[in-house]
Amino acid sequence: SQQGEEDPQALSIQEGENATMNCSYKTSINNLQWYRQNSGRGLVHLILIRSNEREKHSGRLRVTLDTSKKSSSLLITASRAADTASYFCATPRAAGNKLTFGGGTRVLVKP
Amino acid sequence: EPEVTQTPSHQVTQMGQEVILRCVPISNHLYFYWYRQILGQKVEFLVSFYNNEISEKSEIFDDQFSVERPDGSNFTLKIRSTKLEDSAMYFCASSTGLAGGQETQYFGPGTRLLVL
Repeated sequence: SQQGEEDPQALSIQEGENATMNCSYKTSINNLQWYRQNSGRGLVHLILIRSNEREKHSGRLRVTLDTSKKSSSLLITASRAADTASYFCATPRAAGNKLTFGGGTRVLVKP
Repeated sequence: EPEVTQTPSHQVTQMGQEVILRCVPISNHLYFYWYRQILGQKVEFLVSFYNNEISEKSEIFDDQFSVERPDGSNFTLKIRSTKLEDSAMYFCASSTGLAGGQETQYFGPGTRLLVL
């Protein structure tokens, strides 16, 4: 898989349920970033987790990072219909600032 | 809250025409970027810009592309002679530079370019 690949590709849940998606990457990183994109719209930054952090919270979002497995997970708790979007992980190269995005996880939260 | 803005939101052009996409990054940010997303595909890095010069560019960013910061606020992407395959959503982003470009990048809403 390429740098920053999300799994699953699509997820459908009921409102109130939790949504978990994973991201795997290949090279060493300084940080990993999660973004949300509503259909046809811009990218909204959700959270940045540094390579020396294992877990980070922001509101209903919980991100974990396991550098030994080169993977990260994003958990959205108590999902709402407004959480319906595509979620991307992105990693900057260790040297330089180019962000490499995965293919995203499309999340559908049904009311 | 400060945000990155982009104009126009949509642009339709004929193949071979030049287009200029405009962005106003967040003021006091030092790094500026362009990315693109072809419909249904991943977001792809095009170029980063720092200290009035390109700091990194991808293989997509060939001689048909150029970037400029004409004044203290605008950051533009020019495509000299558009091709059908340039049709995509183009995103501008900026970051503070406090971590040498490794910090959070803030994205604009995008310009949807359609080349006919």
